[in-house]
Amino acid sequence: GQSLEQPSEVTAVEGAIVQINCTYQTSGFYGLSWYQQHDGGAPTFLSYNGLDGLEETGRFSSFLSRSDSYGYLLLQELQMKDSASYFCAVRKGSNAGKSTFGDGTTLTVKP
Amino acid sequence: DTGVSQDPRHKITKRGQNVTFRCDPISEHNRLYWYRQTLGQGPEFLTYFQNEAQLEKSRLLSDRFSAERPKGSFSTLEIQRTEQGDSAMYLCASSPRTSSSGANVLTFGAGSRLTVL
Repeated sequence: GQSLEQPSEVTAVEGAIVQINCTYQTSGFYGLSWYQQHDGGAPTFLSYNGLDGLEETGRFSSFLSRSDSYGYLLLQELQMKDSASYFCAVRKGSNAGKSTFGDGTTLTVKP
Repeated sequence: DTGVSQDPRHKITKRGQNVTFRCDPISEHNRLYWYRQTLGQGPEFLTYFQNEAQLEKSRLLSDRFSAERPKGSFSTLEIQRTEQGDSAMYLCASSPRTSSSGANVLTFGAGSRLTVL
């Protein structure tokens, strides 16, 4: 099976940097994705790591260490609109359709 | 393209009734997924289609749940004999073939919220 662990809540102030960790246990692994979901909204894709290392997309970066079964999402220059839930997700193979999601981390950005 | 559309957005039903949800994916996406999400949880995989073929179905999905994608375009998810435990947000997503980077980017619809009384 597959399981993912994320912190349930994180709080930070505007302008700060926050890191949301994700550890996974899976019988097969082919990449870690991150999604953002605002209250009442649909999850939206943020970032993907198929190889070890850092991927940067504007204020958001994501990191993967396959040997440690660990990844994180880094959010810089936090804005109030970043308050949302963030989910990591894994899938087993290159052609696998199923993605397994963690239970999400609720980020609250305070002024 | 208007993205992934789901209908209805909200459904309230009595226990034991049947409900059906519809999903219209992004037209050029050949993969379509159904997920279920309850409060405080991540999306839970139910099933997915590649074109009209249903390629995987969650072991958690009882035989009261059935999904179809008859022409490889829109899909329906039917729940028969609903139970209170079926109350959740039912999310549909679509994706193209895996990108060159290996990412499988899911585009989700706004969801259909089911309340079973």
